[in-house]
Amino acid sequence: GAVVSQHPSRVICKSGTSVKIECRSLDFQATTMFWYRQFPKQSLMLMATSNEGSKATYEQGVEKDKFLINHASLTLSTLTVTSAHPEDSSFYICSAARRSGGVSTGELFFGEGSRLTVL
Amino acid sequence: QKEVEQNSGPLSVPEGAIASLNCTYSDRGSQSFFWYRQYSGKSPELIMFIYSNGDKEDGRFTAQLNKASQYVSLLIRDSQPSDSATYLCAGVYNFNKFYFGSGTKLNVKP
Repeated sequence: GAVVSQHPSRVICKSGTSVKIECRSLDFQATTMFWYRQFPKQSLMLMATSNEGSKATYEQGVEKDKFLINHASLTLSTLTVTSAHPEDSSFYICSAARRSGGVSTGELFFGEGSRLTVL
Repeated sequence: QKEVEQNSGPLSVPEGAIASLNCTYSDRGSQSFFWYRQYSGKSPELIMFIYSNGDKEDGRFTAQLNKASQYVSLLIRDSQPSDSATYLCAGVYNFNKFYFGSGTKLNVKP
């Protein structure tokens, strides 16, 4: 089956530093990837849609200058949390939808998630 | 944000019983619905999806969709302790955007 790999799985950083999270689709090309954030005991909140070769589309309330998304190839999207603060501590999950003939098959595959702790 | 609502639970059922998980959605423009299972500290994993009115069965799992009532459910037959997890309902909009409910925690007691 399709696999989406995410790295790192855990990261601890100091307040004010930047953290980059990578998301790779391992056996299919993903023109579109999605980034979610999940706080404890809460739902997955869609942050942004990452589009290969173009700018990401951010959901309302998500700061695009704080959460930088780059989708430079068909298999890699990165999320950089800039100037991280303790309130950014969360579980960040990427996902990709497999497409066939340009149409989504409807399956959304998730990476393993990255738990960010900002001290 | 599109709204997908779920009862947070926890829902407790004895081993071998049927667990019934429910979800409602607010936007009639949604095309399909997915059920994911999420263990604590892990990413969600797909159980099944449904896009037509009626029932869809896959092993011990049955998804039900009623578009008129904007209601989706997941039935788990012969529940096992390993089924204990949080179950997330997701609606799909614009053919590729997934919006998730807050999840229902299921406890299956041996």
